[in-house]
Amino acid sequence: ENVLTQSPATLSLSPGERATLSCRASQSVSNYLAWYQQKPGQAPKLLIYDASNRATGIPARFSGSGSGTDFTLTISSLEPEDFAVYYCQQRNNWLWTFGQGTKVEIK
Amino acid sequence: QVQLVESGGGVVQPGRSLRLSCVVSGFTFSNYGMHWVRQAPGKGLEWVAVISYDGSKKDYADSVKGRFTISRDNSKNTLYLQMNSLRAEDTAVYYCAAWRVSSAFDIWGQGTMVTVSS
Repeated sequence: ENVLTQSPATLSLSPGERATLSCRASQSVSNYLAWYQQKPGQAPKLLIYDASNRATGIPARFSGSGSGTDFTLTISSLEPEDFAVYYCQQRNNWLWTFGQGTKVEIK
Repeated sequence: QVQLVESGGGVVQPGRSLRLSCVVSGFTFSNYGMHWVRQAPGKGLEWVAVISYDGSKKDYADSVKGRFTISRDNSKNTLYLQMNSLRAEDTAVYYCAAWRVSSAFDIWGQGTMVTVSS
């Protein structure tokens, strides 16, 4: 199983600051890496797929980068609605796994 | 608009069975693979199962393999998850999700809660 490790577990920042979230895979995932945002009581929402492609309707302040085993989600300037939990996800053949999540909280 | 609506959750005793459904509207269901993903209370996301667009290929997380079965009825735009031999650790919100973009889940339902308890 390809294990995804996200860091940090919690990120405490203020609105307007830059957020940098990391996701590391135990084996290469090529670029089959996606990022999701989840707010309390809601289903997850796709932000980024194939490591760096923004999903439909996602603001440009969200960007993804990386390849192989190391990936990053960057939120260039945090808006109040961006405080949430973020998950990375990978596909290896026909098995998918998620990271354990990073909570972005208001400082 | 695009919509996935799950149903069938509830409270069930350990060892019993439950079948979840996910009705899809707003896109051509028969063209796309579909997934089930679950989330235990206060925990992260766990991928459960996948099925190809035509139902010919399926795969499962090790934690449910041999107990859960994913299926679909393209004539009814409906995805199913048959859950047998349920355990307390299967307690979670179960989401269906559409696989329309590369290897990602681009559309999610609102989830249905399954509680396994005596």
